[in-house]
Amino acid sequence: GQSLEQPSEVTAVEGAIVQINCTYQTSGFYGLSWYQQHDGGAPTFLSYNALDGLEETGRFSSFLSRSDSYGYLLLQELQMKDSASYFCAVRSRTGANNLFFGTGTRLTVIP
Amino acid sequence: GAVVSQHPSWVICKSGTSVKIECRSLDFQATTMFWYRQFPKQSLMLMATSNEGSKATYEQGVEKDKFLINHASLTLSTLTVTSAHPEDSSFYICSAGDVYEQYFGPGTRLTVT
Repeated sequence: GQSLEQPSEVTAVEGAIVQINCTYQTSGFYGLSWYQQHDGGAPTFLSYNALDGLEETGRFSSFLSRSDSYGYLLLQELQMKDSASYFCAVRSRTGANNLFFGTGTRLTVIP
Repeated sequence: GAVVSQHPSWVICKSGTSVKIECRSLDFQATTMFWYRQFPKQSLMLMATSNEGSKATYEQGVEKDKFLINHASLTLSTLTVTSAHPEDSSFYICSAGDVYEQYFGPGTRLTVT
């Protein structure tokens, strides 16, 4: 099976930097993704890591260490609109695009 | 990016009735689509993989006779919740895409009374 753990809640100040961690246990591993979901909305894609290292996309960066079964999402220059839930997700089957989601982290950005 | 739509966006039905939810890929073809379920303030739980032209693949613990999935074309998958009960009330979301990125529909909020 799959198990992905994230902190349940994080609060940070506008303009600051926040890191959301994800540790996973899966029977197979073919990539770690991050999705953002605002209340009542659909998840939207943020990043994807298949190999170790850091991927940067604007204010968001994502890191993966396969040997540690660990990844994180880094959000810089936080804005109020970044308040949302953030999910890590793994693709655990070769040739398949289905995702297994982590427990989710609710980020609250305060002024 | 690609667009996935769902219909209806919300539905209220009486216990014992069936409800059909449609998921469409609007600007791309999808041989596979995925159905998720999400309870308030919880994570998305993968229910099943919808395969165009063949049977759906259900995750462990998901009743295939209760959640009927049909993927009749490369742009349409349907999820039918049969004999719905209040515990089936949830947010149902579909997705389609590739290995790098999944595009999610806006979701359907089902309330069973």
